[in-house]
Amino acid sequence: NAGVTQTPKFRVLKTGQSMTLLCAQDMNHEYMYWYRQDPGMGLRLIHYSVGEGTTAKGEVPDGYNVSRLKKQNFLLGLESAAPSQTSVYFCASSYRDHIQYFGAGTRLSVL
Amino acid sequence: AQSVTQPDIHITVSEGASLELRCNYSYGATPYLFWYVQSPGQGLQLLLKYFSGDTLVQGIKGFEAEFKRSQSSFNLRKPSVHWSDAAEYFCAVAPGYQKVTFGTGTKLQVIP
Repeated sequence: NAGVTQTPKFRVLKTGQSMTLLCAQDMNHEYMYWYRQDPGMGLRLIHYSVGEGTTAKGEVPDGYNVSRLKKQNFLLGLESAAPSQTSVYFCASSYRDHIQYFGAGTRLSVL
Repeated sequence: AQSVTQPDIHITVSEGASLELRCNYSYGATPYLFWYVQSPGQGLQLLLKYFSGDTLVQGIKGFEAEFKRSQSSFNLRKPSVHWSDAAEYFCAVAPGYQKVTFGTGTKLQVIP
């Protein structure tokens, strides 16, 4: 009964380092999303995917890349981390009805 | 593009008092509408949704919301707040099949 699982839960990076956040869902959802949450700004969509092998830009895509090679996984990459990318990152998945199921989040600090 | 406004950043209510959280949206047609709740350190959980039909929808944990087309609003209500309701609440809209837009959230504090 896992739902949406994000790894890692916490990470500290130095400026310029790279990392990949993994999101896995076991609900056979077509749609998957990556958001960032910053104080006072709600959730902002970074990238999303409407099916295996497809990705699209959201509201704040700069500095991030994504891949959806398998239906159940959605990866978020930071090629060269910047302090402005310090945030809490949430993955979510849904059917076409937009009822989103969220992971517990990844807290990222970039020093 | 659609937008969502939650005008109250922070609300404090006494336990047992009633609650109303406001949400207004901007979109040409009637979108799908949602309320989510986020407890500290957790992801978001769906409270309730409106797709069509009856404009008063019931959700989990005793919450309800009313869709008012004329006011472009989808306010969340609860008749009697419990201390465990302290959390952050997000309104969200989805005009089509691909993207959801979230409001900036309202933090609810419950005092004994």
